[in-house]
Amino acid sequence: QSVLTQPPAASGTPGQTVTISCSGGISDIGRNYVYWYQQLPGTAPKLLIYGNDQRPSGVPDRFSDSKSGTSASLAISGLRSEDEADYFCASWDDSLSGVVFGGGTKLTVL
Amino acid sequence: QVQLQESGPGQVKPSETLSLTCSVSGGSISSYYWYWIRRPPGKGLEWIGYIHSSGSTNYDGSLMSRVIISTDKSKNQFSLRLNSVTAADTAMYYCARGRAYGAIEYWGPGILVTVSS
Repeated sequence: QSVLTQPPAASGTPGQTVTISCSGGISDIGRNYVYWYQQLPGTAPKLLIYGNDQRPSGVPDRFSDSKSGTSASLAISGLRSEDEADYFCASWDDSLSGVVFGGGTKLTVL
Repeated sequence: QVQLQESGPGQVKPSETLSLTCSVSGGSISSYYWYWIRRPPGKGLEWIGYIHSSGSTNYDGSLMSRVIISTDKSKNQFSLRLNSVTAADTAMYYCARGRAYGAIEYWGPGILVTVSS
């Protein structure tokens, strides 16, 4: 069972905005940054968001995140078929002194 | 552009030791944090551990008694050893480069390791 909690699935139609939640606790999201990773089918994960809503070069600004207390959310606007992937949140856990991941959310573009 | 590539056996017998190597090109392992992460079939990502360029290591608590991550700076490689494997260790294993606290920027393509007799 993952330390961070994500819904197992999400869906949307092209052009829509989809939000994926990530719930944790004081020792992880509450005190540390949240990172979001995208894993397209058959490929390695890719860093999507880091720090405070920062995106690595090449990641479109259709992807954004927010954090409130011990929860975070990834928003994908202008949904495209190529966004169909698994999305994982991650953070540092001060109590465990390690990296913790969410269980992942499978996004389907209808 | 940093590139990473995992190598090692694709099948390991139960109770034996899983050994993987990650070859790094386009950058030196003398900086940054070097991670191992896995994804079991049908499950999510699991952090195994990392080694810092200084040589310090940090492992997931549930694997700590079975895992060792080390570097070979002369070859610009780092390695994973996981002993006493069981079927639960069957997974796609990824090596990666990142910063402290989970910001993992560059990933290898992954290698599937199956634990089976």
